Amino acid sequence: QVQLVQSGAEVKKPGASVKVSCKASGYTFTSYDINWVRQATGQGLEWMGWMNPNSGNTGYAQKFQGRVTMTRNTSISTAYMELSSLRSEDTAVYYCARGFMVRGVLGGMDVWGQGTTVTVSS
Amino acid sequence: SYVLTQPPSVSVAPGQTARITCGGNNIGSKSVHWYQQKPGQAPVLVVYDDSDRPSGIPERFSGSNSGNTATLTISRVEAGDEADYYCQVWDSSSDHHVFGTGTKVTVL
Repeated sequence: QVQLVQSGAEVKKPGASVKVSCKASGYTFTSYDINWVRQATGQGLEWMGWMNPNSGNTGYAQKFQGRVTMTRNTSISTAYMELSSLRSEDTAVYYCARGFMVRGVLGGMDVWGQGTTVTVSS
Repeated sequence: SYVLTQPPSVSVAPGQTARITCGGNNIGSKSVHWYQQKPGQAPVLVVYDDSDRPSGIPERFSGSNSGNTATLTISRVEAGDEADYYCQVWDSSSDHHVFGTGTKVTVL
């Protein structure tokens, strides 16, 4: 079945970086974008950016420009999201999600990973 | 930046109809998607492209979109529908996905 499996929980100190992985299975990895969405405790969903696994092209939310990097390894169908210069406000659950197109335009997200908890604390 | 506004909460009795609105400037010109999120779980797509349902989603979930408001309708509400619901669009002017503020549905 189609699924995205993410790496385990992380605890980081302020100023450090974190890299979360997202392994795809059950479909052709290079045929669908991967989005990253985060959610702080008790808060809503916040989109961070997308990556085209085929071309490697990316698009980042303005809020995260300069701090986030999205990459992939097509040989193992895995996407990565690295966030640097971590601060306490980055404590959240981070999700990867497969994107789909609607009439040739980026649409929504139809398959989600289980989430990775990132805690930033001194 | 594009903003999507949802009511913080909606309460509904079992068997009744819940309507969750998502307001945005000329949202009727965009394709709207809806997600259900239960506590401790990842979001699940329940309606896409305004009114289509992914396979496995009950017909009780439906959507509409016109003018400045999109609506998710849950008919014959069940206890298992209690969750947070988010609308989402792709804003081509900013090249950003945008999520709504989220609505907590409580089944009385």
